[in-house]
Amino acid sequence: DAKTTQPNSMESNEEEPVHLPCNHSTISGTDYIHWYRQLPSQGPEYVIHGLTSNVNNRMASLAIAEDRKSSTLILHRATLRDAAVYYCILIFGNEKLTFGTGTRLTIIP
Amino acid sequence: DGGITQSPKYLFRKEGQNVTLSCEQNLNHDAMYWYRQDPGQGLRLIYYSQIVNDFQKGDIAEGYSVSREKKESFPLTVTSAQKNPTAFYLCASSAGGSGNQPQHFGDGTRLSIL
Repeated sequence: DAKTTQPNSMESNEEEPVHLPCNHSTISGTDYIHWYRQLPSQGPEYVIHGLTSNVNNRMASLAIAEDRKSSTLILHRATLRDAAVYYCILIFGNEKLTFGTGTRLTIIP
Repeated sequence: DGGITQSPKYLFRKEGQNVTLSCEQNLNHDAMYWYRQDPGQGLRLIYYSQIVNDFQKGDIAEGYSVSREKKESFPLTVTSAQKNPTAFYLCASSAGGSGNQPQHFGDGTRLSIL
């Protein structure tokens, strides 16, 4: 199974951009890179996903390295509501989807 | 509003008892999933279903069973064979089984042992 590696925790100041890294050196050509976030006692919320090109939506941007072995989730202007655990996972079909422990993002007012 | 509904929110199980967790979606999604989350951990896949009347085991299927008789419903039974069932259970759905579809999650069921 393709695995991802993320820092356990990160901090950022409110209203500043946040860059959350994810390494996936064993990614295959058909794996999509997905990002989700989870608040305590809630189900994960979809944030963004991509395959090869950088992606933008109303929540965030996803920057994918040219060799696809790493990616970065970018929150352009962090708010207190962005404090959550962020998961980076690789998905192809339904193959054994496993979310790692993710990155706990703390926003400092 | 379209979404996924899990019930109950909290559930208690006695030793030797089977319990069933409900998951209903009105998103018209073909694929549905069950995950287990232990405290401070990520999600692990229990079972998934890509189409009605068909489902496959995930990483930790032992002690669990599912059915998919209707497109909108994917109940999970935690059997007495599951010796450590205390966890947060999450149901999800997606429009298809390819990696190009996001998963939509319910709010979860927290199961505890009496």
